[in-house]
Amino acid sequence: GESVGLHLPTLSVQEGDNSIINCAYSNSASDYFIWYKQESGKGPQFIIDIRSNMDKRQGQRVTVLLNKTVKHLSLQIAATQPGDSAVYFCAEKAGNMLTFGGGTRLMVKP
Amino acid sequence: SAVISQKPSRDICQRGTSLTIQCQVDSQVTMMFWYRQQPGQSLTLIATANQGSEATYESGFVIDKFPISRPNLTFSTLTVSNMSPEDSSIYLCSVMGVLNTEAFFGQGTRLTVV
Repeated sequence: GESVGLHLPTLSVQEGDNSIINCAYSNSASDYFIWYKQESGKGPQFIIDIRSNMDKRQGQRVTVLLNKTVKHLSLQIAATQPGDSAVYFCAEKAGNMLTFGGGTRLMVKP
Repeated sequence: SAVISQKPSRDICQRGTSLTIQCQVDSQVTMMFWYRQQPGQSLTLIATANQGSEATYESGFVIDKFPISRPNLTFSTLTVSNMSPEDSSIYLCSVMGVLNTEAFFGQGTRLTVV
């Protein structure tokens, strides 16, 4: 079946820098995309979402960009903090099904 | 957002035994899902738990191995049957929000089979 994948398995950034986590998807029928954050020992936590009719959406310190031409999704975290250290998953939704990407571990260096 | 409680949070089980994981939601939800997250990997959908009918399983998952109950709109169970070490994973319960967009997750059940 179609799947969602990520480019980088591990990303290490300096505290205060900006982080960019990338994701490629393959299902052109997906109409909704979500980024999740998963800390150790916890379930995934919703961060931000974007519909397929948008190309950018901003939240507090986070921005999601969607490029449907190349089926690419990115999560930008501004002024990365130690509390941002976690695994980040993108997910695409087609109908009622969510398909998750492989995950990127973000490590924030003090 | 929905508050989802899973029990147990973790367990260590002997191979050949079965474990039933419970998922309780603080509000009525139409759609409940069970995911598996193997060590260091992403989430894979096991099945959709349907209230009043049999669960809908994804490719690679069967009812005999992962029986699911959904007696009402706030509760579901997943049983991992005849366990082997390969079943060691985190099992996550999930519900769809009222807008039927984002999914909310429980804290997961960390299962280790020895």
